[in-house]
Amino acid sequence: GAGVSQSPRYKVTKRGQDVALRCDPISGHVSLYWYRQALGQGPEFLTYFNYEAQQDKSGLPNDRFSAERPEGSISTLTIQRTEQRDSAMYRCASSLFAGNNEQFFGPGTRLTVL
Amino acid sequence: AQSVSQHNHHVILSEAASLELGCNYSYGGTVNLFWYVQYPGQHLQLLLKYFSGDPLVKGIKGFEAEFIKSKFSFNLRKPSVQWSDTAEYFCAVITTDSWGKFQFGAGTQVVVTP
Repeated sequence: GAGVSQSPRYKVTKRGQDVALRCDPISGHVSLYWYRQALGQGPEFLTYFNYEAQQDKSGLPNDRFSAERPEGSISTLTIQRTEQRDSAMYRCASSLFAGNNEQFFGPGTRLTVL
Repeated sequence: AQSVSQHNHHVILSEAASLELGCNYSYGGTVNLFWYVQYPGQHLQLLLKYFSGDPLVKGIKGFEAEFIKSKFSFNLRKPSVQWSDTAEYFCAVITTDSWGKFQFGAGTQVVVTP
């Protein structure tokens, strides 16, 4: 596609529910990244993939968070048993190659947990 | 732990004034440096990047940044701002210890008044 897309753009859920956030990277981009951004802060790394392989998940806060990219394109970030502290903007980015390459960001998903 | 510091959280200035935003990082090895901008209602976009070579980097919309290795700094400048430069600006670093993972500063909100 023309750019990185994310869906939904806004998600409001009740505490304890599971949510799935989707990222569709730029076509042909090898690497895909997930970040979380709290209000007044910069984006914080969560995890990233090269093709379908999850390379680093050191930023996932706990085991309620997981991500997959089964076919090396679209990725899903899943948060189980959501808590109010999970409320944030979740950003996805992709880059043509792995490593230090420029990352292109999507519009983000604003998650609110009530 | 590695970190990225942006000195100002909020900056207000008039059109035609000069802008300089500070960014410092704490890492002694090789770094790649970026400035991203987020205009109101839009997603993060790359302003400029430094990988190697000339430490003075020119980006889009008249922005430039200077990498000073001895000071661990990568400050962003623009000689004369416009109202359309109102945005949030983020400094980001990739290190050889965190390949592929951007570490962002907290961001600086810049407001340009007519």
